[in-house]
Amino acid sequence: QVQLVESGGGVVQPGRSLRLSCAASGFTFSIYTMHWVRQAPGKGLEWVALVSNHGSEKYYQDSVKGRFTISRDNSENTLYLQMNSLKPDDTAVYYCAKDYGSAYTMDVWGRGTTVTVSS
Amino acid sequence: SYELTQPPSVSVSPGQTASITCSGNKLGDKYTCWYQQKPGQSPVLVIYEDNKRPSGIPERFSGSNSGNTATLTISGTQAMDEADYYCQAWDSSTGVFGTGTKVTVL
Repeated sequence: QVQLVESGGGVVQPGRSLRLSCAASGFTFSIYTMHWVRQAPGKGLEWVALVSNHGSEKYYQDSVKGRFTISRDNSENTLYLQMNSLKPDDTAVYYCAKDYGSAYTMDVWGRGTTVTVSS
Repeated sequence: SYELTQPPSVSVSPGQTASITCSGNKLGDKYTCWYQQKPGQSPVLVIYEDNKRPSGIPERFSGSNSGNTATLTISGTQAMDEADYYCQAWDSSTGVFGTGTKVTVL
């Protein structure tokens, strides 16, 4: 079945870096745009970034531009999020999500990985 | 930046209809989708392209979008529908989620 499994979360000090991964299975990964979405503790959903199917187009939330980089390896069916210069406000559960293929709708979500930025 | 505003909470009795609004400037010109999120779980897509249901989503979920407001309607609400609901749209190369609405089934 279609599955997304995030990994790489943890506790990190402000200013440090972390790389998240999302392993995809059960669908043709290389066809679909992919997203990262986060949710701070007790808060709502916040879209973070997307990458097109072949990696040529990337878009970011203003709050992470210049610090986060989204990428993908279609040969390994894996999505990445490189997070640099982390801030306490980046503390959240990070979800990867598959794009439905229309209107940037996210039709499959992973279970998330938790990132805590604290000294 | 573009904003989508939802009521913080909606209460509904079992079997009745719940309506959740999502307001944004000229939202009717964009596609809107809706996600359901239960405590401790990942979001689930319940409506896409304003009014379409993914496979496996009950018929009691429906959507509309016109002017500045999109609406998610849950007809014959069941206890299992108690959850947070988020609208989402796309604007200027950025994904935007609504502020979220907690639906309580009393």
